[in-house]
Amino acid sequence: DTGVSQDPRHKITKRGQNVTFRCDPISEHNRLYWYRQTLGQGPEFLTYFQNEAQLEKSRLLSDRFSAERPKGSFSTLEIQRTEQGDSAMYLCASSLARANEQFFGPGTRLTVL
Amino acid sequence: DAKTTQPPSMDCAEGRAANLPCNHSTISGNEYVYWYRQIHSQGPQYIIHGLKNNETNEMASLIITEDRKSSTLILPHATLRDTAVYYCIVRYNTDKLIFGTGTRLQVFP
Repeated sequence: DTGVSQDPRHKITKRGQNVTFRCDPISEHNRLYWYRQTLGQGPEFLTYFQNEAQLEKSRLLSDRFSAERPKGSFSTLEIQRTEQGDSAMYLCASSLARANEQFFGPGTRLTVL
Repeated sequence: DAKTTQPPSMDCAEGRAANLPCNHSTISGNEYVYWYRQIHSQGPQYIIHGLKNNETNEMASLIITEDRKSSTLILPHATLRDTAVYYCIVRYNTDKLIFGTGTRLQVFP
């Protein structure tokens, strides 16, 4: 399968712990996106990269959140000092160019106890 | 980006056409209409997009009114696997997708 992959698929952590998620985009895609989805809502944009450059960050992305795409391939999203309100599905997507459709991964479901 | 309005839920019998409406009355002339769907516990999946003309692909048809203030996504022969949340999004010259709450389509046998 050459689609977008995310790891882990599920993460349970205690409040105050740090967590890191990984996203592997479709190999030739230069744009990579992170979204967050809470129960009953549509996905909300968090940030995106063009190659290794982080070009836009949502105000939803507090200073506890950091995302990287060091070599323009895979990306990581880290949440420090997790809070219960961080519990959500974290979705990654990639695309070849802005106008093209975004291909989504299966998501990482985070539960903060 | 313009805001969209969709009914929260719809039902459709298997084998029949599912017609999902979307209102985007504040759309500007260069904004495209995109449709995605999200099957339970999966990431969203692109379906189709269009600007002015009607569009058709292997998954669905998109009908955009002449004034572009509304559109309809048509699944010509719905199956149980089409049960999902369908999102209508208007977008121009931006990388991010802005999702609303979508329409939950339930296809029943």
